[in-house]
Amino acid sequence: SQQGEEDPQALSIQEGENATMNCSYKTSINNLQWYRQNSGRGLVHLILIRSNEREKHSGRLRVTLDTSKKSSSLLITASRAADTASYFCALTRNSGNTPLVFGKGTRLSVIA
Amino acid sequence: EADIYQTPRYLVIGTGKKITLECSQTMGHDKMYWYQQDPGMELHLIHYSYGVNSTEKGDLSSESTVSRIRTEHFPLTLESARPSHTSQYLCASSAYQNTGELFFGEGSRLTVL
Repeated sequence: SQQGEEDPQALSIQEGENATMNCSYKTSINNLQWYRQNSGRGLVHLILIRSNEREKHSGRLRVTLDTSKKSSSLLITASRAADTASYFCALTRNSGNTPLVFGKGTRLSVIA
Repeated sequence: EADIYQTPRYLVIGTGKKITLECSQTMGHDKMYWYQQDPGMELHLIHYSYGVNSTEKGDLSSESTVSRIRTEHFPLTLESARPSHTSQYLCASSAYQNTGELFFGEGSRLTVL
């Protein structure tokens, strides 16, 4: 498969807890991106991490990338009910100017 | 906020009708994409374009067609809609020189009866 695969498929946590989602892939990548999708809406870009980076932060988001294990994780700290959404990882492959390939997503529910 | 617009947001039509889903962006992006997504499922790339008069089919076979006559406009057409075409269609764009970040429209949810 050339797409990332998110794990878990669904996650339910209490408000204030941290949420961790993982993405595994099989191809060589140029970068990996995470997107968020609220129900019935378009996707919104959250963060991009390049293949030569190991960790990036943006507000309450922390993304890690381990190219040796071909995996990435997205951590949302101090989650809020408004974080309830689906989260997708997307890969830009090394093979050139090719479109992003999305995984199946993790559905996060944050209970107030 | 992304300047990419899709119309209609919702459409319910009968089998056999011809429909066009519109997508326009005001960011001057060269690259534009159409993804198909069933509720709660993954996105499948069905068409993309890297510039005017350039269109390619994506990973998922689709009976739809696209055109790219102007940079800002990337409409998707179904000549004869069927119930199997019921889905959400998401349009996206990105700048040619950037690292691939996509800007998405709000989607067009199509229901074919």
